[in-house]
Amino acid sequence: KAGVTQTPRYLIKTRGQQVTLSCSPISGHRSVSWYQQTPGQGLQFLFEYFSETQRNKGNFPGRFSGRQFSNSRSEMNVSTLELGDSALYLCASSPSPRGRTEAFFGQGTRLTVV
Amino acid sequence: DQQVKQNSPSLSVQEGRISILNCDYTNSMFDYFLWYKKYPAEGPTFLISISSIKDKNEDGRFTVFLNKSAKHLSLHIVPSQPGDSAVYFCAAKGGNDMRFGAGTRLTVKP
Repeated sequence: KAGVTQTPRYLIKTRGQQVTLSCSPISGHRSVSWYQQTPGQGLQFLFEYFSETQRNKGNFPGRFSGRQFSNSRSEMNVSTLELGDSALYLCASSPSPRGRTEAFFGQGTRLTVV
Repeated sequence: DQQVKQNSPSLSVQEGRISILNCDYTNSMFDYFLWYKKYPAEGPTFLISISSIKDKNEDGRFTVFLNKSAKHLSLHIVPSQPGDSAVYFCAAKGGNDMRFGAGTRLTVKP
């Protein structure tokens, strides 16, 4: 079974630009969550999608948005990039948001904003 | 909102000794708890979990303890090995919610 795939692995953007990150979950998993990891801040929850619907959202500004497609693949978009958006963005998939199951993470997309 | 807290950013232990990583949570709705391990340039990988109906779960060298009344869980690694050096995240799950702590960097010295 293929794992969670995130593309691209690395990205460099300039302030003010926008960026789209992609996540393909494990086959059969319908829940996809996005996290931002910065040094000292751990994994900050961005949002979670299940069956193409956003089920939960963290405390991030509206510049951060996402969507999920019918095949469960998800994209995350950040508009008007700021230097502070530089981070590792992780996607995790699980069969459903509920239940006693673990989430499986991709390798992440390292975004650098200059 | 820090619903899951790992108050020790780092921990250093000698090879062969016990490593104890701690985690506290505030939300009583959390009923499933997990530990993840993360190496640099990789995504976190699942290590061990525990349901709120248990107070201990063991898997080889790894044991997780849950104290519901104190809203506290801990991960014990015995014996610690240099390959265990990584960042460890605890996570708590309840309803549609899954939250992570800030992580503890464990260094196991040979």
